[in-house]
Amino acid sequence: DVKVTQSSRYLVKRTGEKVFLECVQDMDHENMFWYRQDPGLGLRLIYFSYDVKMKEKGDIPEGYSVSREKKERFSLILESASTNQTSMYLCASSARGQGEFQPQHFGDGTRLSIL
Amino acid sequence: TQLLEQSPQFLSIQEGENLTVYCNSSSVFSSLQWYRQEPGEGPVLLVTVVTGGEVKKLKRLTFQFGDARKDSSLHITAAQPGDTGLYLCAGASGFGNEKLTFGTGTRLTIIP
Repeated sequence: DVKVTQSSRYLVKRTGEKVFLECVQDMDHENMFWYRQDPGLGLRLIYFSYDVKMKEKGDIPEGYSVSREKKERFSLILESASTNQTSMYLCASSARGQGEFQPQHFGDGTRLSIL
Repeated sequence: TQLLEQSPQFLSIQEGENLTVYCNSSSVFSSLQWYRQEPGEGPVLLVTVVTGGEVKKLKRLTFQFGDARKDSSLHITAAQPGDTGLYLCAGASGFGNEKLTFGTGTRLTIIP
């Protein structure tokens, strides 16, 4: 089974801090994604990566950056945390499709609170 | 930005009843997925539908993709408490490394 591991289940930080959320997958997937999940809004894509050292902005990239130095690891960085970034953050990975849809596999999420 | 609207947002019914959840968009998708998420966990894929008009069954769950590939429905027959969870639809715009657009979610509670 694919396993996507997020480093923390719960995290509390202060406004203005630089915050790192880590995600590791063990299935040699090319694609990795970061989402935030808020009630009534579903999952919104922050950033994604199709390969090592490659990144692309999703729908809500403002206030975030990412790093992918190794294929299995994808980090989300909050440059200067703000209270409106309090949310559930979900990491996902998927294989590169060869003409057919490849499902995304999710971690269990990090619930981040910014005080 | 493509949008996927799910209805209802919340649904609470008695065990044994039937229900339908809808996922609608004005955009065409190459495929549509349904995920279920339980508290404290990430979403887990239930099914992928690809062809317009396609119907897939997973035990008591029936998924249908609209003929125009803009909408989908999930029908549960004889709901069980184990069906409780957050149901999310997600549309893909192409095959390969495409992003998914997620719906707003339907929180389903089955009362024993």
